[in-house]
Amino acid sequence: NAGVTQTPKFRVLKTGQSMTLLCAQDMNHEYMYWYRQDPGMGLRLIHYSVGEGTTAKGEVPDGYNVSRLKKQNFLLGLESAAPSQTSVYFCASSPLNEQFFGPGTRLTVL
Amino acid sequence: ILNVEQSPQSLHVQEGDSTNFTCSFPSSNFYALHWYRWETAKSPEALFVMTLNGDEKKKGRISATLNTKEGYSYLYIKGSQPEDSATYLCASLNAGGTSYGKLTFGQGTILTVHP
Repeated sequence: NAGVTQTPKFRVLKTGQSMTLLCAQDMNHEYMYWYRQDPGMGLRLIHYSVGEGTTAKGEVPDGYNVSRLKKQNFLLGLESAAPSQTSVYFCASSPLNEQFFGPGTRLTVL
Repeated sequence: ILNVEQSPQSLHVQEGDSTNFTCSFPSSNFYALHWYRWETAKSPEALFVMTLNGDEKKKGRISATLNTKEGYSYLYIKGSQPEDSATYLCASLNAGGTSYGKLTFGQGTILTVHP
């Protein structure tokens, strides 16, 4: 089992560009989450999903959109990237107890 | 308490010392309290998931307790070792209404164990 994988691992964008981060899990988990990690801020929840076809807003959803068309995938989109979105993004999946985290995506917006 | 709060923010101890950290969380709509260990340049890994008031869990030299009525959890490390150096995160899982399934993390306690 690959667990939770994230694509890409690194990305540099210019302000205004768009991109999609892909999170995939092979553990048949219902719940999936997107977080961002910034210095001194811990992990902040962007969006999450409690099942295929559902999404919900977390603490910092502005500027991001998500989709969960398939149970195993959770996509995070940035429509018009801003420097404030420079961060490390972690995806996690869960059967509603412990969370299993992906390796992270380091995104820089210039 | 509206947010998940951890204290202290950072802690330096000597090898062999025992230490503990605190996590405070909202007691309303509580479902579970998670503890994670997060080493630099890695992803967080689960230590404990606790749901019942009075729960105590142990893994080696690390243990945790839970008080859901007053909304706090303690994490204890006995005989700290340099390899225990990491950020320790707690998170509260909500089971109420439109926030069902939402996991809110505290800012973490950064532990450094000096040889």
